[in-house]
Amino acid sequence: GQNIDQPTEMTATEGAIVQINCTYQTSGFNGLFWYQQHAGEAPTFLSYNVLDGLEEKGRFSSFLSRSKGYSYLLLKELQMKDSASYLCAVREDTDKLIFGTGTRLQVFP
Amino acid sequence: DADVTQTPRNRITKTGKRIMLECSQTKGHDRMYWYRQDPGLGLRLIYYSFDVKDINKGEISDGYSVSRQAQAKFSLSLESAIPNQTALYFCATSAEGRGSDTQYFGPGTRLTVL
Repeated sequence: GQNIDQPTEMTATEGAIVQINCTYQTSGFNGLFWYQQHAGEAPTFLSYNVLDGLEEKGRFSSFLSRSKGYSYLLLKELQMKDSASYLCAVREDTDKLIFGTGTRLQVFP
Repeated sequence: DADVTQTPRNRITKTGKRIMLECSQTKGHDRMYWYRQDPGLGLRLIYYSFDVKDINKGEISDGYSVSRQAQAKFSLSLESAIPNQTALYFCATSAEGRGSDTQYFGPGTRLTVL
């Protein structure tokens, strides 16, 4: 079956670092995406991994281990505007995206 | 102007009514998708279309139908709305689905069925 697991909620302090984990079991794998979604708004693309390793993009980095079915999103130097939900999604061989339920991150001053 | 637009943005309707949600895009993408989002359940795929003549059911297509009127337009219909179809609906588009081709989402339609 298909399953993507993420923690439901996380909290962190402004200026800190937070790591959001995602584990997956899918029938195929053609890349893993992270999206950011502010409450009531559309998801927006953050990062893409298809090979093992770390992809860095400014304050955000994403890691993938295909053998472990595991990814994480690392957010550095947290800002209040980073308070949002973070969605992990796997693209199957059919090019459809399977989404996790999302992790709601709250950043406190 | 937004690349992916949805109308209406909000809609309240009654059980049994027929509802159409519309999506338009100016990104020139062939692939379009309809999702619904419910608290605690994440985004779930309703229907998708890889080109104008290609329509496919997603994981939760029962009670919904779609029409791909043109490359740029993809409509979702609820033939006879029921309360458990109350949700936030998103349209999305993508290019060829290769490499880092991501999906671009519209602003969403909040639908309430009473």
